[in-house]
Amino acid sequence: KAGVTQTPRYLIKTRGQQVTLSCSPISGHRSVSWYQQTPGQGLQFLFEYFSETQRNKGNFPGRFSGRQFSNSRSEMNVSTLELGDSALYLCASSLGGVGSNQPQHFGDGTRLSIL
Amino acid sequence: QKEVEQNSGPLSVPEGAIASLNCTYSDRVSQSFFWYRQYSGKSPELIMSIYSNGDKEDGRFTAQLNKASQYVSLLIRDSQPSDSATYLCAVRNYGGATNKLIFGTGTLLAVQP
Repeated sequence: KAGVTQTPRYLIKTRGQQVTLSCSPISGHRSVSWYQQTPGQGLQFLFEYFSETQRNKGNFPGRFSGRQFSNSRSEMNVSTLELGDSALYLCASSLGGVGSNQPQHFGDGTRLSIL
Repeated sequence: QKEVEQNSGPLSVPEGAIASLNCTYSDRVSQSFFWYRQYSGKSPELIMSIYSNGDKEDGRFTAQLNKASQYVSLLIRDSQPSDSATYLCAVRNYGGATNKLIFGTGTLLAVQP
């Protein structure tokens, strides 16, 4: 069974640009969560999608947005990039469902560098 | 107070010893608990999940949960240099609109050959 696939693996952008990251969950998984990981802050929750609906949102500015498609694939968009957005962006999928306690499985991440 | 707290380490243990990693959490309604291992430059990998008080064993790994004291721990027996990594504790809370997986900042484990 294929794992969580994130593309691209590496990305270099400049301040003010926007970026779209993609995540394909494990087959059968309907929940997709996004995290930002930086050395100083650790893993910070961005948002979670289930059945094309945003179920939870972390404390990030509106420049960070996402969506989920009917096949459970998800995209994350960051607009007006800032130097502080340089980080590893991780996607994780799980079976989902209301009150689900299933673990999340992570993709390899997209390393975003802002120049 | 952080929602999930871990000692950042590094925790240094000799090869073959038992490594003990601890995690405390603040929300009493937390119901699901997970340990992830993250090698440098890699993504987190699920090691254990635990939902009930007590111990859960899987190979060299044992997770321990004490909901009354709000802590969860991970024991690694017969530690190997390949176990050297950052170990992340994650807690899933339920209630209202909240259903998030919250991570601690991780404990760096160094197993000395």
